Amino acid sequence: GQNIDQPTEMTATEGAIVQINCTYQTSGFNGLFWYQQHAGEAPTFLSYNVLDGLEEKGRFSSFLSRSKGYSYLLLKELQMKDSASYLCAVFYNQGGKLIFGQGTELSVKP
Amino acid sequence: DAGITQSPRHKVTETGTPVTLRCHQTENHRYMYWYRQDPGHGLRLIHYSYGVKDTDKGEVSDGYSVSRSKTEDFLLTLESATSSQTSVYFCAISESVTPAYSTDTQYFGPGTRLTVL
Repeated sequence: GQNIDQPTEMTATEGAIVQINCTYQTSGFNGLFWYQQHAGEAPTFLSYNVLDGLEEKGRFSSFLSRSKGYSYLLLKELQMKDSASYLCAVFYNQGGKLIFGQGTELSVKP
Repeated sequence: DAGITQSPRHKVTETGTPVTLRCHQTENHRYMYWYRQDPGHGLRLIHYSYGVKDTDKGEVSDGYSVSRSKTEDFLLTLESATSSQTSVYFCAISESVTPAYSTDTQYFGPGTRLTVL
């Protein structure tokens, strides 16, 4: 299979930094996406990584190591509105399909 | 926001009845997808389309069929709904698929909450 593993839940404090990890099977890897999903809403695109390294976009950054099958999403200066589920999704070149992890439920507390 | 709408947004139906969900896009993207999202399973691909009249199965396609007669519309049909098909259904679109570029990003519609009693 093409298991995408990420922690089920995380809790962090407003103003802090949190790192959400994602590991995946490397065979056939062709890109990795992070999505944010608030309760009752659709997933919204956050970031895309296909090469090793860090992609920064405002308070959010995403890192990829293709050889290790590892990515993380880094959220800085946490705000209450960042409480959401964060989905890691891997693009495999077999048929061009995205495989999603189960998501990490992040709770930001005052 | 990508121009994607889904209808209906909510539906309650009974076991054994046919149900059709509609996804409509105004982006003229070639690729369209149907997912279901359930607690403990995340998003799972049901069917996808890579052009008008061109569709293929995803990982959970049993009990579902799709049709795409126009670029902008992708229909998902449950021929005879079962309680196990109670779920939230999301449609998504993308410009391309492989090799992987940022244009492979999938954008999601607002979702349809379906309850089968």
